Parts: sequence; C-alpha cells; structure tokens
Amino acid sequence: DVVLTQTPPTLSATIGQSVSISCRSSQSLLHSNGNTYLHWLLQRPGQSPQLLIYLVSRLESGVPNRFSGSGSGTDFTLKISGVEAEDLGVYYCVQGTHAPRTFGGGTKLELK
Amino acid sequence: EVQLVESGGVLVQPGRSMKLSCAASGFTFSSFPMAWVRQAPTKGLEWVATISTSGGSTYYRDSVKGRFTISRDNAKSTLYLQMDSLRSEDTATYYCTTDYPAYWGQGTLVTVSS
Repeated sequence: DVVLTQTPPTLSATIGQSVSISCRSSQSLLHSNGNTYLHWLLQRPGQSPQLLIYLVSRLESGVPNRFSGSGSGTDFTLKISGVEAEDLGVYYCVQGTHAPRTFGGGTKLELK
Repeated sequence: EVQLVESGGVLVQPGRSMKLSCAASGFTFSSFPMAWVRQAPTKGLEWVATISTSGGSTYYRDSVKGRFTISRDNAKSTLYLQMDSLRSEDTATYYCTTDYPAYWGQGTLVTVSS
C-alpha cells in the first residue's frame, strides 16, 4: 500500500501567520492517465472531514483562496496564507492513484 | 444541498453482525462510486471499502475482506455496509463518502465490546 507521510504532526500558529504542511508518498502519485490523485482534507473538531484541495492544486468550491496546494510525483504541500481561527483542526492528505486509497497520518493545526 | 446521512451504529458484542445505511440526497447518487471510511477514537482516517456506480465492482481493505460487504440501492439512493464477525478493532466512527472525497456524512459510531 502507498504510505503518505505528513509533516509536521502538529503545527502551532498565530492568526495571520502563513504555514505549510508536507505530504510525501512512498510511490509516485502520477496516474497513467496523466492525473495526480492527491487531495487535502480538513477535519474540524467534532466534524466530518471536508475537501479543500483536489488533484494537487485545485480549490474545492467554497474554500477560501488562502488555501493552496502544490507538488508533483511524491512530494506535495498544502499552504495556508494567513491562518484564521476557523482553520484549526486536523489536515489529511489522501491519495486515490493506487488501490487501496490511503490517508496521511494527519497534521493538527493549533493556535499558539 | 448535498446530504449523506448514516444510521445503524450501535454497541455490539464481538462476533456479532451489524448493518450500516447511508441515505444520499442532493446529487445524482447513481453516478458516483461510493466508499466507507472509518476513524477509530482519537485516530486518523482509514479507508474500508468502495463500490462502483452499478454495484458490480467492490473493493475492501484486507482486514475486513470476507467479513464486510458493501452494497448500494440506486433506486433508493442508499449505501450499505454489512459487517459480520465484528472485532474490537472495528470500533470506530464510520463515514459514508463519495469515492472521490467531495461529500461526507456526519458519521455513525460503531462500538464492538463485550
């Protein structure tokens, strides 16, 4: 199975600070069809996960543009440009290129 | 508005069975492959099973193969997960989700304990 390693496991930030989360894959996530099925989710406390970024860098409808995704192959990054209080929670990367679908271990974003 | 509403989660003894349901609305259910994802208490997300749009193809994680069965009724816009021979390690909140993870339910808690 593909292993997704997220770093850091915990991130402390102040409101307005920009932060980045890394997701590294044990295999390339480039599919033979040319797509890279790497997505980012946010799970706020007590809530279900929600999709933020899909196909590496595409912003899901309704998601603020302070969120951005980048990367290719095995290395991917989620960036938040100016953290807001509503951004607190656990971020997960997830891949759908190789079966079975696998998730990263999560990065918890806390207020400093 | 898209809604996925899970039901069926309860406390059950090891070795027993349980069936989860997920009622979908607000999107064309029959056009989406669907999946179950679980989250053990204080842990991360773990994919459980996926079913194709027609129901003709199903996929399972190794630890549930032969014990869990995913199915769907497109006429009722409902997804199911039949869980047999339950183990303590199956204790988790189970989420119904589109396989492409755009839509998620609120989750239903399954507790396996004697």
